[in-house]
Amino acid sequence: DAGITQSPRHKVTETGTPVTLRCHQTENHRYMYWYRQDPGHGLRLIHYSYGVKDTDKGEVSDGYSVSRSKTEDFLLTLESATSSQTSVYFCAIRTSGGDSSYNEQFFGPGTRLTVL
Amino acid sequence: TQLLEQSPQFLSIQEGENLTVYCNSSSVFSSLQWYRQEPGEGPVLLVTVVTGGEVKKLKRLTFQFGDARKDSSLHITAAQPGDTGLYLCAGAIGFGGYQKVTFGTGTKLQVIP
Repeated sequence: DAGITQSPRHKVTETGTPVTLRCHQTENHRYMYWYRQDPGHGLRLIHYSYGVKDTDKGEVSDGYSVSRSKTEDFLLTLESATSSQTSVYFCAIRTSGGDSSYNEQFFGPGTRLTVL
Repeated sequence: TQLLEQSPQFLSIQEGENLTVYCNSSSVFSSLQWYRQEPGEGPVLLVTVVTGGEVKKLKRLTFQFGDARKDSSLHITAAQPGDTGLYLCAGAIGFGGYQKVTFGTGTKLQVIP
């Protein structure tokens, strides 16, 4: 079973402050994802990574940046948090590997972020 | 942006009843996943369907992929309180490499003992 942790699990911050969320996996999965989950919108992809230093934007990437300096860590940064970024953030890894595989994902426990 | 519509959005039923959840799109998917999510946790993969018309069973849960690979359904027989949760479908386009995945908005199921 893939091990994936997120930190912090809960955070309250103020508008305009920078925030970094961390995702850590214990296995060497190539693909990692950051999603946000909001009522009525389901899960929306913010950014994803397909290897160390290889990242790309998802559908709701404005206001977010990511970095992946090691295989096991994928960081999501809100440069200047806004109230619209209040959400639950999930990190996921793609557990099925290989070029002929399907996009089966294993999710972390989530981070609940509140921006006041 | 492709859309994956799930219906119903909410479902509250008595223990022992049967139910069906639908996931519909105008896009053709290379695969489709179903996840279940419990409060305060991340989604957990239940099944992947790949072939048009494919049917997969997981105990009391039956998953079907539409013939045209644009839609899917989840049928639960004799629902139990442990089935309570948010059910999400996710459609993927592409094979290997990066696959564009869209999640449905979910069906929130409550099974009353």
